Amino acid sequence: DAKTTQPNSMESNEEEPVHLPCNHSTISGTDYIHWYRQLPSQGPEYVIHGLTSNVNNRMASLAIAEDRKSSTLILHRATLRDAAVYYCILRSWTGNQFYFGTGTSLTVIP
Amino acid sequence: IAGITQAPTSQILAAGRRMTLRCTQDMRHNAMYWYRQDLGLGLRLIHYSNTAGTTGKGEVPDGYSVSRANTDDFPLTLASAVPSQTSVYFCASRLEAGGPTDTQYFGPGTRLTVL
Repeated sequence: DAKTTQPNSMESNEEEPVHLPCNHSTISGTDYIHWYRQLPSQGPEYVIHGLTSNVNNRMASLAIAEDRKSSTLILHRATLRDAAVYYCILRSWTGNQFYFGTGTSLTVIP
Repeated sequence: IAGITQAPTSQILAAGRRMTLRCTQDMRHNAMYWYRQDLGLGLRLIHYSNTAGTTGKGEVPDGYSVSRANTDDFPLTLASAVPSQTSVYFCASRLEAGGPTDTQYFGPGTRLTVL
């Protein structure tokens, strides 16, 4: 599976939108983009995934660049409970392992 | 539905001792995984199992062994613990091993300290 690059940390004000970027310049045409997050003292949890089109669910939105070399996880209104480490992961049809990097640590300021 | 349970929640262990971390899932998932998480290094895969009866090595398998006698249980054993194995250990599972869309579910973790 190809690797991803994320900023180490970001800050956001409470109730403001948050855009978490991820670069994946070596993505292949069939790789899916997954996002997980890890709340303090918990295991990671699934947030969202997509292939080419933008995706929305109850937790977040995923915006995928037209060339698929980058993507952005969007939290529409950050809450204090969104403070976590967010991981961007690529998943292929052939690989059966998840490669977690160090992710982006999001701090939400009240 | 409990999902994934891990035991113990935390443990302090003397170096050289043998330790088994337990992981049980009730989702009938075929694939299971063990990760360790160290500060600044993110999550690293130790061992995995694509289905009951099979296991494989991940990024950092040395010093650890696993078994998968049935679908539900995936214990991780440290035969002779060393201080560098101090970490937080997460067990995870997926419905199937392959495919790019299936999500992975994680347990609450075991915090292990080896002195």
